[in-house]
Amino acid sequence: EPEVTQTPSHQVTQMGQEVILRCVPISNHLYFYWYRQILGQKVEFLVSFYNNEISEKSEIFDDQFSVERPDGSNFTLKIRSTKLEDSAMYFCASSPWGELFFGEGSRLTVL
Amino acid sequence: EDQVTQSPEALRLQEGESSSLNCSYTVSGLRGLFWYRQDPGKGPEFLFTLYSAGEEKEKERLKATLTKKESFLHITAPKPEDSATYLCAVQASTNAGKSTFGDGTTLTVKP
Repeated sequence: EPEVTQTPSHQVTQMGQEVILRCVPISNHLYFYWYRQILGQKVEFLVSFYNNEISEKSEIFDDQFSVERPDGSNFTLKIRSTKLEDSAMYFCASSPWGELFFGEGSRLTVL
Repeated sequence: EDQVTQSPEALRLQEGESSSLNCSYTVSGLRGLFWYRQDPGKGPEFLFTLYSAGEEKEKERLKATLTKKESFLHITAPKPEDSATYLCAVQASTNAGKSTFGDGTTLTVKP
């Protein structure tokens, strides 16, 4: 069964460093997303991506965040200068239309 | 702004003891309401999509229903392996697929 894969599963970084989280969505899906979940809190929308461009972004998705689809399979989230409050589980999701299919997540710890 | 409220926060059941989880929502034009299951440290797993009031979906011991203001996830004769956090999410017809999640209900089923 097709699945969304994410790497790395866990990354520890120092405050101010750049981080790139990678995702391989399900191949025939058209919509791609990044969500995050701070420990003990709800799943929060960051950004949606369709037809090679951002279709919507949340208030959280400020100038330190960017997304790319560098080739036909990968989808990346870059955080340019990490802050302590960026520590969270980051989930990539893809969708054929409405329902989301999530990866296992990348746990980011900022020290 | 779209809002999703789930209750109860936590539910403990004996194996075989049926119950229901509630999801109340406000959204500017419902595109879809979604139920997910999330195991600790994992990404949410899609369960159901409901599109209009009166609609019902079933999968094994789970049944989801939808009204104009809320959705219920009914669990019939649960087993310990049904223990998880159940998340409800809505998408508005006015946005590009962004899902707004509730805080979830953590279900524990004791043998």
